[in-house]
Amino acid sequence: QKEVEQNSGPLSVPEGAIASLNCTYSDRGSQSFFWYRQYSGKSPELIMFIYSNGDKEDGRFTAQLNKASQYVSLLIRDSQPSDSATYLCAVRETSGSRLTFGEGTQLTVNP
Amino acid sequence: DAGVIQSPRHEVTEMGQEVTLRCKPISGHNSLFWYRQTMMRGLELLIYFNNNVPIDDSGMPEDRFSAKMPNASFSTLKIQPSEPRDSAVYFCASSRDRPEAFFGQGTRLTVV
Repeated sequence: QKEVEQNSGPLSVPEGAIASLNCTYSDRGSQSFFWYRQYSGKSPELIMFIYSNGDKEDGRFTAQLNKASQYVSLLIRDSQPSDSATYLCAVRETSGSRLTFGEGTQLTVNP
Repeated sequence: DAGVIQSPRHEVTEMGQEVTLRCKPISGHNSLFWYRQTMMRGLELLIYFNNNVPIDDSGMPEDRFSAKMPNASFSTLKIQPSEPRDSAVYFCASSRDRPEAFFGQGTRLTVV
């Protein structure tokens, strides 16, 4: 079992819709969870992080964490074509600074 | 702040040659990470340093790979000898006492 799993997609949504990206992790002791966005040919950039169970909202983005189910998600409201990118879920292991990344979900927002 | 700076941006080399990738972390950051990204394997952590000391190098694929961080503002990743399967984008990232990392623009390595 991979440590961090994501649906590779591609996920396609129409402009203005809600895009839902999902991630599961295997280390039950993981404490910190991150979503990175990576445009084609560019480097990953941090868009959200969440440490506590529940929802965390930042503009059009909402991160959701359920530690009991070992599940973290990212919702993008009012999706825009500029949101088209690969979204990487990352989990910090129980100890240390190591981040483990999922393989990413490719999102396409169609005008 | 200039962000994490990597050089070169692109490198094409012949199999068997030595390759050195360079990274300057964000000033004040005390953790530095080297990642490799390929289509097949995604983003893999190779090694990370904390306060210039290597903490976890379990991701380094084999002895052909080595990394150094002689001071807080500079790190190198060396591959000797290089092989075609080393072709990938290599990212350096840094952070300061926090788990989230900020990435450089990457070095695209092609070994022919």
